[in-house]
Amino acid sequence: KQEVTQIPAALSVPEGENLVLNCSFTDSAIYNLQWFRQDPGKGLTSLLLIQSSQREQTSGRLNASLDKSSGRSTLYIAASQPGDSATYLCAVGNNNDMRFGAGTRLTVKP
Amino acid sequence: NAGVTQTPKFRVLKTGQSMTLLCAQDMNHEYMYWYRQDPGMGLRLIHYSVGEGTTAKGEVPDGYNVSRLKKQNFLLGLESAAPSQTSVYFCASSPQSYEQYFGPGTRLTVT
Repeated sequence: KQEVTQIPAALSVPEGENLVLNCSFTDSAIYNLQWFRQDPGKGLTSLLLIQSSQREQTSGRLNASLDKSSGRSTLYIAASQPGDSATYLCAVGNNNDMRFGAGTRLTVKP
Repeated sequence: NAGVTQTPKFRVLKTGQSMTLLCAQDMNHEYMYWYRQDPGMGLRLIHYSVGEGTTAKGEVPDGYNVSRLKKQNFLLGLESAAPSQTSVYFCASSPQSYEQYFGPGTRLTVT
């Protein structure tokens, strides 16, 4: 059974700092990995999707990497802003079964 | 283009009551999913559908039923609600098994 872990559970940084969020998974036979953002009381917004054949994806200040062999993905956020404050979830897909981590709650202080 | 919508947004049920949650998408996606999110936990897949007329069980299907009579709609039913089903329910859709798009969620409380 696929287990997805996100560390740390919470992170607080000053504005402007570069930061890395971590996601690990136990079964390397994955189809894809997706990073989401969730604001309090809201739904999930897709940030980046990495297919199993890819090593990374970039969108603006965000960069996500995937290392299937070690069962790890990282989400790099450059020059963080207060508006980046949210919970970040990673989800690992294996065909139609997607398993989520519990998330990292990020606070960016002005 | 509304994306994925969910009805209702909030609901309070008494133990034993039944209800249906509606998910609708206007992106012509083949795949649709129902998840639940509980405090401190990630989302868990309840049921999913890979096309009109098809449904399949996910990780936590017990106590729920689903139907996909039309491609754009995916219904989640609770026949006899229990307090353990208090949760936030999210619907998602995707073009085949790719990037998933989520609805805003339904907050359900069972007393």
